[in-house]
Amino acid sequence: QQQVKQSPQSLIVQKGGISIINCAYENTAFDYFPWYQQFPGKGPALLIAIRPDVSEKKEGRFTISFNKSAKQFSLHIMDSQPGDSATYFCAVETSGSRLTFGEGTQLTVNP
Amino acid sequence: DTGVSQDPRHKITKRGQNVTFRCDPISEHNRLYWYRQTLGQGPEFLTYFQNEAQLEKSRLLSDRFSAERPKGSFSTLEIQRTEQGDSAMYLCASSLFVGTGELFFGEGSRLTVL
Repeated sequence: QQQVKQSPQSLIVQKGGISIINCAYENTAFDYFPWYQQFPGKGPALLIAIRPDVSEKKEGRFTISFNKSAKQFSLHIMDSQPGDSATYFCAVETSGSRLTFGEGTQLTVNP
Repeated sequence: DTGVSQDPRHKITKRGQNVTFRCDPISEHNRLYWYRQTLGQGPEFLTYFQNEAQLEKSRLLSDRFSAERPKGSFSTLEIQRTEQGDSAMYLCASSLFVGTGELFFGEGSRLTVL
């Protein structure tokens, strides 16, 4: 069973700060490495995703850094805002678009 | 609204009863997925369909669970003889393309087994 380990479990940052969430995966080759955002009472929604042949991808305030040799990838949220307060999940995509998720990081951005 | 819809949103049942959840995917999406999420955990894969064919089932999907997707449109997930350990959020997702990391999730059906 593929495993995805995510850290930290919870994170508190001040408004305007940088939020960093890390993810490590094991073994098998994967097709894509997405990050999902989930608000209470809602389903997860794709935030940003990266292919394994790219080392970094930036979309607005969100950046994924990918280190294939270390089997790690991370999410950076620049200029964090209270509206970013949510639970974030990293995931790995195997064949058939089957996603295996990390355990989640609960981010709180204080005003 | 053209998103993924799930029904019911909440279900409270007594242990031993059967429950059924319905998912209506985004209309042009041919892939449909069921996940289960418990409090403080990430979603766990249960099963997925491509059109009407069920292509993969997780070991989490015991014999008490059955999923169908007749005619490749909506899907149902039935849990027979519910147990307290079945209490969770059941999430449905759909997708059109593979290899993008993107699934479109519904808001889930929360099951509480008393």
